[in-house]
Amino acid sequence: GENVEQHPSTLSVQEGDSAVIKCTYSDSASNYFPWYKQELGKRPQLIIDIRSNVGEKKDQRIAVTLNKTAKHFSLHITETQPEDSAVYFCAASYSGGGADGLTFGKGTHLIIQP
Amino acid sequence: DGGITQSPKYLFRKEGQNVTLSCEQNLNHDAMYWYRQDPGQGLRLIYYSQIVNDFQKGDIAEGYSVSREKKESFPLTVTSAQKNPTAFYLCASSIVPQPQHFGDGTRLSIL
Repeated sequence: GENVEQHPSTLSVQEGDSAVIKCTYSDSASNYFPWYKQELGKRPQLIIDIRSNVGEKKDQRIAVTLNKTAKHFSLHITETQPEDSAVYFCAASYSGGGADGLTFGKGTHLIIQP
Repeated sequence: DGGITQSPKYLFRKEGQNVTLSCEQNLNHDAMYWYRQDPGQGLRLIYYSQIVNDFQKGDIAEGYSVSREKKESFPLTVTSAQKNPTAFYLCASSIVPQPQHFGDGTRLSIL
């Protein structure tokens, strides 16, 4: 089955700086890669996703890049703000939109230092 | 207000007891999912269902059971065979290939 590795487990950045979280996946058949943000005790919320037919996607301060050859994808957050502090999870699926379920990384705790 | 409703928010189980977690959605989504989250860990797939009266095992189905008798409901039973049930349980739904959206979760603890 699919295996997703996520790094780093904790990331501390100064407010206003950029943050990058990286994930690798094992199954070359995976074609859907969402990112979720989870605040303490709350539900994960989708922040951005990318499908294998594109290499990059942006939404305001957030971007995701995908390298299918190397089987890795990354989340980029620019101009970080205090409200960006949370745990971020990457995930992968070989079925369209995760129809057969998602395989998640173990998460990155992003800390924004004032 | 449309969404995914999980209940109860907190649940306690005694040794040897089965407990059932509720997940209801009014989004008209075909697919529904159950995930388990342990502290400091990612989410792991327990069961999923793409249509009514059909469901599939995920990565950690042992000790759990589900049913999908109605499109809007996908209850999860944690049986006594699950020896380490303490976790945060999250239900999700989607219209494939759109993304999955999650409920607020149920936190299960052992008495």
